[in-house]
Amino acid sequence: GAVVSQHPSRVICKSGTSVKIECRSLDFQATTMFWYRQFPKQSLMLMATSNEGSKATYEQGVEKDKFLINHASLTLSTLTVTSAHPEDSSFYICSANREPYNEQFFGPGTRLTVL
Amino acid sequence: GESVGLHLPTLSVQEGDNSIINCAYSNSASDYFIWYKQESGKGPQFIIDIRSNMDKRQGQRVTVLLNKTVKHLSLQIAATQPGDSAVYFCAEPYSGNTPLVFGKGTRLSVIA
Repeated sequence: GAVVSQHPSRVICKSGTSVKIECRSLDFQATTMFWYRQFPKQSLMLMATSNEGSKATYEQGVEKDKFLINHASLTLSTLTVTSAHPEDSSFYICSANREPYNEQFFGPGTRLTVL
Repeated sequence: GESVGLHLPTLSVQEGDNSIINCAYSNSASDYFIWYKQESGKGPQFIIDIRSNMDKRQGQRVTVLLNKTVKHLSLQIAATQPGDSAVYFCAEPYSGNTPLVFGKGTRLSVIA
């Protein structure tokens, strides 16, 4: 089946530092990946659409300079939270789109805690 | 904007009973819906989907019903088991395709 991994699964960092989260499609190629954010007891909120070889498309209210997305290959997208602050603490989940039926497969998520 | 939402935030069910989780949507043009299960600390897992040309679709122990007239869909889980305890989300494609817009979620707790 289609497997999507994320690394790291959990990260704790100090305020002001940057954190990179990787999302990989392990057994299929994905020209499109998505990044979601989930606060406790809330639903998933789409942050951005990551497109291989081009710039990401950000949702309204998401700062593109703070959440840097790079989709350099057909199996890897990265989300870098720059100058992280405690309010950035959240559960970040990626999904990869498998064509031709546009099925989305989700990663296991990354728990970010900013102290 | 248009959104997908849920009626009940929590649901407690006795083990072995059937569970029904409801979801309302507002976009009458929506033609595809997906139910996901999310266990604590994990990403969402696909359960079942349904297209608007269907009223019902069955999987293993799960059934999704779609009522386009009232813009409502439900997920029925038969013989609920402790392993079914999770948050369940309905979702629809953002703009006729991907990405997905998620409803608020219902937490299902199974009482042994």
